[in-house]
Order: sequence, then structure tokens, then C-alpha cells
Amino acid sequence: AQSVAQPEDQVNVAEGNPLTVKCTYSVSGNPYLFWYVQYPNRGLQFLLKYITGDNLVKGSYGFEAEFNKSQTSFHLKKPSALVSDSALYFCAVRDGATGQNFVFGPGTRLSVLP
Amino acid sequence: GAVVSQHPSWVICKSGTSVKIECRSLDFQATTMFWYRQFPKQSLMLMATSNEGSKATYEQGVEKDKFLINHASLTLSTLTVTSAHPEDSSFYICSAKDREAFFGQGTRLTVV
Repeated sequence: AQSVAQPEDQVNVAEGNPLTVKCTYSVSGNPYLFWYVQYPNRGLQFLLKYITGDNLVKGSYGFEAEFNKSQTSFHLKKPSALVSDSALYFCAVRDGATGQNFVFGPGTRLSVLP
Repeated sequence: GAVVSQHPSWVICKSGTSVKIECRSLDFQATTMFWYRQFPKQSLMLMATSNEGSKATYEQGVEKDKFLINHASLTLSTLTVTSAHPEDSSFYICSAKDREAFFGQGTRLTVV
């Protein structure tokens, strides 16, 4: 069975500082990994995904994520945080071999302080 | 990029009534759509997989008679919450897959 863990409920960072939102996963087949962002009362917006290839994936709004197979992690990063980055972030996994639907992590609330 | 439109964005209904939520893929065809439910401060939980032209596949614990799903065309899936109760109040989100999954903006359902 697939599962996703986001160990931090809340991450606080000062504007201009680098940010990291952590994600670890478990999947039986090849992992397809995703990050989504959700603003209040809104749906999910796609940020980036890892399917295959380079372990460092670049996505929307300056975000990037690094796939680490040995640590089964897919942490989301940004070199310089903006106040507008404050939102709820979800990591999700799909089993590349068999899965169609996503399994989402519990979400991490990012607050960027001015 | 691909767009998924969900309507309405919010709805308030009385207990015992039914509410229909629509999910449309605007610029691509989706043979499969997904319906999720999100409780406050919690993650998204898959409710069911909607298949065009056939019955939906429900996740364990989801009442198929209460949450009716219809996928009548390649661009439209509907979720009807029948005989709604206050505990059905939640945020419902649909998803349709093109090259990657795109999500609707969600529907905030409040049952009073």
C-alpha cells in the first residue's frame, strides 16, 4: 500500500530565507511523486512532479524538490521564501506501475513571516 | 494548461435535501475523474473513481447510495450528496487526469 508522511504540521520561515517542506513516501512500485499547494477555500494547484530522470525537479513559482531514493524522500525547497508562499502544501504519491489515484500526505502549513 | 472547473464553489443546503456538484474538464477529455473529500485541517481522502460510461468505484467506507456519481460524458462528472446531513459538511474536490492530474477549485458544502 502507498503512504505519504509529512512530519511537520507547520513550518515557519522568514521572508527571504530558504524553506524546506519535508515528505517521505512508501510505495511498492516505482514512485510518481507530486507536490501541490492549496490556498484557503481553493482547490489544489500543481507545483511539480518526479516521474523519472534527474533527481532535482524544478517546478512552478521557483519551487524545486529533490528525489532521494535511498531515503524515500521528496522534500520541497525554495531558495528565498515570499510572504505569498504562505499556504497548505501537500505531497502525493502514485504507484507508477499500477496506480491511477493519488495518496496524499496530511499537509504542511507554511507561514512566511514578513 | 489543462483546466478542471468545479461548480458550485460553495453551497448551503438544509438537512434532508440533495446537492449536486459538477466537475468539468474544459480542454481535454477525461475517461476517469476522481472525487476527494477534505475535512478541516486534514488531507484529501479519495472517495471514488468516476469512470465514463460505467459505474463508479467507491473507496471502502464511502456509501455509494449516499454519494451518487455519474460520469455521463468524457468532460463531465457529477457528485450528488443525497439526503444531506450536517456531518456531510465538508470540502469536496474533483480531479481529472490529462498528462498529469488537475484539480477543480473545490466545493464547500455546508448542511444546516
